[in-house]
Amino acid sequence: TQLLEQSPQFLSIQEGENLTVYCNSSSVFSSLQWYRQEPGEGPVLLVTVVTGGEVKKLKRLTFQFGDARKDSSLHITAAQTGDTGLYLCAGISGYSTLTFGKGTMLLVSP
Amino acid sequence: GAGVSQSPSNKVTEKGKDVELRCDPISGHTALYWYRQSLGQGLEFLIYFQGNSAPDKSGLPSDRFSAERTGGSVSTLTIQRTQQEDSAVYLCASSLVPYTGELFFGEGSRLTVL
Repeated sequence: TQLLEQSPQFLSIQEGENLTVYCNSSSVFSSLQWYRQEPGEGPVLLVTVVTGGEVKKLKRLTFQFGDARKDSSLHITAAQTGDTGLYLCAGISGYSTLTFGKGTMLLVSP
Repeated sequence: GAGVSQSPSNKVTEKGKDVELRCDPISGHTALYWYRQSLGQGLEFLIYFQGNSAPDKSGLPSDRFSAERTGGSVSTLTIQRTQQEDSAVYLCASSLVPYTGELFFGEGSRLTVL
């Protein structure tokens, strides 16, 4: 069974602060996705990273895929209250369904 | 519709009763997934349908759980003889590209078993 461990499980910060959340595994993934889920809604895809070492930026969010394709990080610069939500990483390996981590719950206070 | 539609949005039932949860995927999406989300547990894979292929049922937790997909579109997840541990949010997702594509999720069906 491929497992994805996310850390921290919960993060509470003030608006304007920077933060990084992590997604780690002992398994190699062909690609990795990050989703954000807001209360009462389903997860929404933020990004897909495919190449080891790849860095993708989405406004204030920076996603990195580890060189060995076993881990990934999400860095948010100058967090805003609208960034509040559950951040989920999901690994894809061959012809199998996505493996999701348990998520990092981010709370950004004004 | 434009997105994945799930019903009911909330279901409260008594232990031992059967429940049916419905998912209407995005038109044209051949891949359909059911996940279960319990508090603090992330997304647990339940079952996957792809076109006319046999479904991947490897995630179903017990034989009380079953799902079908009629006409390659609407899917129903059935839980028989519900238990309190079945309480969770059941999420349906569809995808245009199987395995590697973006998953589009519905808002989920919150099941509470008393």
